[in-house]
Amino acid sequence: GAGVSQTPSNKVTEKGKYVELRCDPISGHTALYWYRQSLGQGPEFLIYFQGTGAADDSGLPNDRFFAVRPEGSVSTLKIQRTERGDSAVYLCASSLGRAKGTDTQYFGPGTRLTVL
Amino acid sequence: GDSVTQMEGPVTLSEEAFLTINCTYTATGYPSLFWYVQYPGEGLQLLLKATKADDKGSNKGFEATYRKETTSFHLEKGSVQVSDSAVYFCALKMSLGNEKLTFGTGTRLTIIP
Repeated sequence: GAGVSQTPSNKVTEKGKYVELRCDPISGHTALYWYRQSLGQGPEFLIYFQGTGAADDSGLPNDRFFAVRPEGSVSTLKIQRTERGDSAVYLCASSLGRAKGTDTQYFGPGTRLTVL
Repeated sequence: GDSVTQMEGPVTLSEEAFLTINCTYTATGYPSLFWYVQYPGEGLQLLLKATKADDKGSNKGFEATYRKETTSFHLEKGSVQVSDSAVYFCALKMSLGNEKLTFGTGTRLTIIP
């Protein structure tokens, strides 16, 4: 079956611009996660959705970052006034969710964001 | 806070060599532990996991045992292949009420024929 998909695969933007990154989770997965992976580092947690609501957004670095999941499926990570330090690979993952009693997260291929 | 410390890489081994990648953790509670692998050009994949002390996770010839007394989850394989070349990440997750994964920095493994 289809895995987690992310678009675009690569995004190059200029400092100060606004970007949107999209994630399509595995069908039926109620939980969705965003992580950020800088070069040479492990992924760092940003935000976690259970259904439509953000259950934990403690990893968002500042108020320039925002994520939505309006219908409980597709999610969009939005970054305003991008900075060069935002350059990283943004990873999305999904899982069946707490109600299903499993905790395996399945990752997408990521979006590589480059801020010039 | 919770954290994971991994053996620094890169690690280069010959084919059929024995592999150990060390991983230790710090956590305030009782985590589940994971190894994820990232093959070249691919996304992160779960390799194996263990949810309680003394559990052994295994997959594709890899094994790791959850050692509560040493707070460790070392990854081992008896005979590595060229196809095992990848970046390996150790990670932890706390209770079902806190779903985020905390990752180590990753260890790049290269296997030479």
